[in-house]
Amino acid sequence: SQQGEEDPQALSIQEGENATMNCSYKTSINNLQWYRQNSGRGLVHLILIRSNEREKHSGRLRVTLDTSKKSSSLLITASRAADTASYFCATDAGRETSGSRLTFGEGTQLTVNP
Amino acid sequence: EPEVTQTPSHQVTQMGQEVILRCVPISNHLYFYWYRQILGQKVEFLVSFYNNEISEKSEIFDDQFSVERPDGSNFTLKIRSTKLEDSAMYFCASTRRNLQETQYFGPGTRLLVL
Repeated sequence: SQQGEEDPQALSIQEGENATMNCSYKTSINNLQWYRQNSGRGLVHLILIRSNEREKHSGRLRVTLDTSKKSSSLLITASRAADTASYFCATDAGRETSGSRLTFGEGTQLTVNP
Repeated sequence: EPEVTQTPSHQVTQMGQEVILRCVPISNHLYFYWYRQILGQKVEFLVSFYNNEISEKSEIFDDQFSVERPDGSNFTLKIRSTKLEDSAMYFCASTRRNLQETQYFGPGTRLLVL
């Protein structure tokens, strides 16, 4: 598998339900970032979690990181139709000498039905 | 809130032509990046840039590509002789410091090579 793989590839839920997306990676990382992309549009940063952090919250978002399993999850609670988008995890395994280089996963397409 | 901007939003060009994609990073940011996303595929790192030189580049970033910071605000990606397979969405991103920083992405330039 590749660095930054998400599952599921697609997720369809009803408004009000929670959505959980998972990401796995292979190498050691400095941090992991989650992004959202509406169809054909730009990448919107959601949350960054550092390698020494285990959980982080931002509004309706909750991100966990398990470095021993090299995995992360993104939970969106009380989903809304406007949450419909693709969600990507991106790992930063950069070095001080070369800087950050994000490696993106394939993404999870989330559809929230009204 | 400061944003990364990119121009043009769309560009159509003939194979073999040169294109220049422009980005204005967030004003106090020092590290700049280009990524691309071929339709239906994941986002891929192209190059990182700091202190007027390339910090790191991927295998995609061959001799046909170049980057430049011609003045204090713009950051450009030039493709010298476009190929059909260069058709993609190109994203610029910037960060304030090296590592452990959120990468803020622009809205992208959709390039279509005919």
